[in-house]
Order: sequence, then structure tokens, then C-alpha cells
Amino acid sequence: DAGVTQSPTHLIKTRGQHVTLRCSPISGHKSVSWYQQVLGQGPQFIFQYYEKEERGRGNFPDRFSARQFPNYSSELNVNALLLGDSALYLCASSLGGQASYNSPLHFGNGTRLTVT
Amino acid sequence: EDQVTQSPEALRLQEGESSSLNCSYTVSGLRGLFWYRQDPGKGPEFLFTLYSAGEEKEKERLKATLTKKESFLHITAPKPEDSATYLCAVGSWGKLQFGAGTQVVVTP
Repeated sequence: DAGVTQSPTHLIKTRGQHVTLRCSPISGHKSVSWYQQVLGQGPQFIFQYYEKEERGRGNFPDRFSARQFPNYSSELNVNALLLGDSALYLCASSLGGQASYNSPLHFGNGTRLTVT
Repeated sequence: EDQVTQSPEALRLQEGESSSLNCSYTVSGLRGLFWYRQDPGKGPEFLFTLYSAGEEKEKERLKATLTKKESFLHITAPKPEDSATYLCAVGSWGKLQFGAGTQVVVTP
């Protein structure tokens, strides 16, 4: 079975530009979460989407936005890129729903974003 | 706000030398404690979920335990392929608070 897939795998952008990262969840998973991981730190929560609605947002500026599509795939958008946005961006999927609120997250291998 | 602290930051082991990693947490109400393994350049790989104090789970050479304030990941007779960063997290509903991880290197 295919796991969580993310694209692109690597990306280099210039300060001030905009970027869109994409994620396809595991088949049957309806919840998608986004995380930012800076080198040497654990992942930090950005967003969670379930059934196309935002269900949680971490402490990130409004330059960060996301959406989930009817097929449960998701996009993360970051505007006005800063040098500090350089990180590994991870997407994770889970079953979602009240009966599975503790179902584990399954992560993709991430998109490595470098801002110069 | 939930907080997770992992120790040590790094651990170097000889093959076969058992050890334990610590994860201390502060939460308003524990909904789940999760252990992940992360290899360089990869996303975290799910290992265990623990829900209540006293719970234990095992997988091959790994065993996770949980108390009211901390969790331990015991690595028994590790092999070089156990080298990775081990992450601990608390939370639920797709929103997890992670610790910074423990980088484990196992040498032959």
C-alpha cells in the first residue's frame, strides 16, 4: 500500500516568493496534518484538516495557509518567504473521526524547503 | 500548553549494549503518548501509542513504558540498524507536541 506522498521532495526559493507544497494521504485516511521540522528539533504542528475543514492551527503567522480537497489530498501555502522558513515540511495522515481520535499519524518523507 | 522533554540529546551505544531513553511530559490531560523513529532525510515512522500509566508495548528490541509523568523507550541488545533519532510526542486528533528527540548511534 502506498504511504503518504509529498511533492516536491526538494525546493529552493528566494526570500519574498510564494511556495505550494502538496500531500496525498494514505488511502482511506480523511485527516491530514502539516508539520514544520527545523534541523535538530522535533516537528512543530502547523495545521490539521479533516473532511476539508480546518480543525487545528499551530502558532504560525498568517503567511501560512492550507486547504484539503474532496479527495482528501492537501496543499500547504506559504507567502512572502523568509529565511527562517527553511525547514523540512512534513505531511501526516490519519483515519480521523471521533472513534479514532487517537489513531497514529503516518508521515510522508517531507519537502525540504530552502529559502535563500 | 503541553510540553515534552527528551533526554539524553544523543546516545552512543556499542552493539548489544542495552539502554533507555526518557520522555518527560506536562499535559493538561494525557490523550496519548506516541513514539516515532526518524532516519536522516525521512519522515518519522510510527512505533507505539501508550494511553495510560502502567501500559507497556514491545516491538522487536524496543519496549515502551508509561508513568504519569514520563515514558521510557528501552532498547535491548541494539544493532547498528537501530541507529536513528527517536521522537516522543503527546496529543491527539492529528495535533502532536513533539520533543526534540534523542539521536541514537549504535556501533558494531
